Amino acid sequence: SAVISQKPSRDICQRGTSLTIQCQVDSQVTMMFWYRQQPGQSLTLIATANQGSEATYESGFVIDKFPISRPNLTFSTLTVSNMSPEDSSIYLCSASTSGAYEQYFGPGTRLTVT
Amino acid sequence: ELKVEQNPLFLSMQEGKNYTIYCNYSTTSDRLYWYRQDPGKSLESLFVLLSNGAVKQEGRLMASLDTKARLSTLHITAAVHDLSATYFCAVDGKTSGSRLTFGEGTQLTVNP
Repeated sequence: SAVISQKPSRDICQRGTSLTIQCQVDSQVTMMFWYRQQPGQSLTLIATANQGSEATYESGFVIDKFPISRPNLTFSTLTVSNMSPEDSSIYLCSASTSGAYEQYFGPGTRLTVT
Repeated sequence: ELKVEQNPLFLSMQEGKNYTIYCNYSTTSDRLYWYRQDPGKSLESLFVLLSNGAVKQEGRLMASLDTKARLSTLHITAAVHDLSATYFCAVDGKTSGSRLTFGEGTQLTVNP
């Protein structure tokens, strides 16, 4: 199994600023994803973080707002740019390996925008 | 577009009782997942169901998959308070490439 850590675990940010969230996996993985969970809601996929190339965004999410990097097979970052209170959510990183069926989730980053 | 629906969304039950949570999805799927989430915590993987007729059990929880009906169930047997949590099903569609679509979640409360 893969163990995923995220930094920071929580943050309170001011409107208009940006926050970068880091996701570290303890082993090499094929796929890494970023999800958003708004308060009291389910999870929504933001994008697939592709190693060495641009991320693939889901409908409703754009690179200018949520730039993503994935420089190697164990690490990814998600930036939440020009934040507004509507961005207050939990952001979760997940990972899976080709040929394996499990998809593991990190502990999440709880973001509050004031 | 793949849609995943769970019901009920809220479930309050007494200890010792049995109940079933249903997960319906709209298109052909490769895999179906069940996760548990405790308040303020991340997701804990419970089951991964890979094929039609698959049944998996762990403790008081049993999950099954009927791909023809596009339905999965999570059955709770003799519920205990420690099972109180939110349960999500998630589907990896055939063309999704491991991108999961989640149901709305079922918030389960088990009362003494």
